[in-house]
Amino acid sequence: AQSVTQLGSHVSVSEGALVLLRCNYSSSVPPYLFWYVQYPNQGLQLLLKYTSAATLVKGINGFEAEFKKSETSFHLTKPSAHMSDAAEYFCAVSGLGTYKYIFGTGTRLKVLA
Amino acid sequence: NAGVTQTPKFRVLKTGQSMTLLCAQDMNHEYMYWYRQDPGMGLRLIHYSVGEGTTAKGEVPDGYNVSRLKKQNFLLGLESAAPSQTSVYFCASRGENEKLFFGSGTQLSVL
Repeated sequence: AQSVTQLGSHVSVSEGALVLLRCNYSSSVPPYLFWYVQYPNQGLQLLLKYTSAATLVKGINGFEAEFKKSETSFHLTKPSAHMSDAAEYFCAVSGLGTYKYIFGTGTRLKVLA
Repeated sequence: NAGVTQTPKFRVLKTGQSMTLLCAQDMNHEYMYWYRQDPGMGLRLIHYSVGEGTTAKGEVPDGYNVSRLKKQNFLLGLESAAPSQTSVYFCASRGENEKLFFGSGTQLSVL
């Protein structure tokens, strides 16, 4: 069964510092991988998606993620945090031939002034 | 451009009461989903539908029923609400390139 694990339910960074949010997946077949962001009192929005075309995926708002098959990881990064990045971030996986999306438990990012 | 619309936004129920949550999408998507979000547990799939007239169980289907009589609507029903069903419920539909579009959520409290 597919699953994703997000390490760290809360992450705090200073404004301007590197953002690193960790996600590891469990799958025997290279999956579709996603990062979604949820701002307070809103639904989730897609940040970026991996579909095997390239291992480094660029998303919106300056975020990017690198797919590493050997480590079964898909960590999300941003070189310089902004106050507006404060939100909850979810990693998700979907497998070939399935219609289900499995989400991680989420990481709440706090950006300190 | 409404996208995915959920109603109601908030609801308080007493144990044993029933209610229906409505999800409507105007993007002609085939696949629709109901998730619940609980602190520390992320989003868990309740039920999903791959097209009009079809439904399937997700990870946590017990206590819920769904219907997809029209392509644009996906209803989630609670026949006899329990405090364990206190949660935030999100509906989503799947667009091109496997992108999910989410509604703004329904906050449900069961007393």
